[in-house]
Amino acid sequence: DAMVIQNPRYQVTQFGKPVTLSCSQTLNHNVMYWYQQKSSQAPKLLFHYYDKDFNNEADTPDNFQSRRPNTSFCFLDIRSPGLGDAAMYLCATSPRGAGPQHFGDGTRLSIL
Amino acid sequence: GQQVMQIPQYQHVQEGEDFTTYCNSSTTLSNIQWYKQRPGGHPVFLIQLVKSGEVKKQKRLTFQFGEAKKNSSLHITATQTTDVGTYFCAGPQGGSEKLVFGKGTKLTVNP
Repeated sequence: DAMVIQNPRYQVTQFGKPVTLSCSQTLNHNVMYWYQQKSSQAPKLLFHYYDKDFNNEADTPDNFQSRRPNTSFCFLDIRSPGLGDAAMYLCATSPRGAGPQHFGDGTRLSIL
Repeated sequence: GQQVMQIPQYQHVQEGEDFTTYCNSSTTLSNIQWYKQRPGGHPVFLIQLVKSGEVKKQKRLTFQFGEAKKNSSLHITATQTTDVGTYFCAGPQGGSEKLVFGKGTKLTVNP
C-alpha cells in the first residue's frame, strides 16, 4: 500500500547531540511537511517542501533543518536538541497545495 | 494572521450520546478539512468540504460547511468508544500549500 513511513518510531538522544529523523513516501506527492506536536496540542508546522522548494516557518528555530534529496525522502535534522524539543514529529504529504494531507505514524523524540 | 478556532476543547460523553465540534475561521476558506487523531496515533484525514453550505455524511458522522465558508461543524450521532480521539479542523492558509489547524476537540466516551 502507498504510504508515508517515518523512522524511527521512537528516538532517544542526549541534550545537544544531533539527531536526524527520516520520512519516506510511496505516494509520489509533491508536497512534504514536517510538524512538531506536543501533548494535547495541534500539530505545529516547522517547514515544508513543494517539490524542491523549501519553505521555512518564521518561528521555526534555526536548530531545525531539513533536506529533501528526492521526491520520496525528507529528513529533519535537529542540530543541538534541547529539552524543549521533546515532542512527536510528524511527516505529512499532499499531492498539491493545501490538499488533504497523509501523515506518517510519527517519531516520538525524547531528550535525556 | 489567519486563525482557525475550534470549540469545545474537551468533550466527555456517555456512549450513545451525540457529539458536535465547531470550527470558525477568521477568513473565508477555499475548503475545510477534518482529521481524527486517536490517542497515541497520528492525524488521519476524514473529509474535505469545498462548496458553500455543503453537507457530507460518513455513517454516523455529519460534516457541514457554512454558507459563508468561514465555519464548519462535525456531528457524531450515538457515539461509540471507537470515536474516542481528538478531532481537528484545518483550512488552507491563503494561497499556500499550508494548512492552519484548529486546536482540536478531544472526545472521550464513557462506555
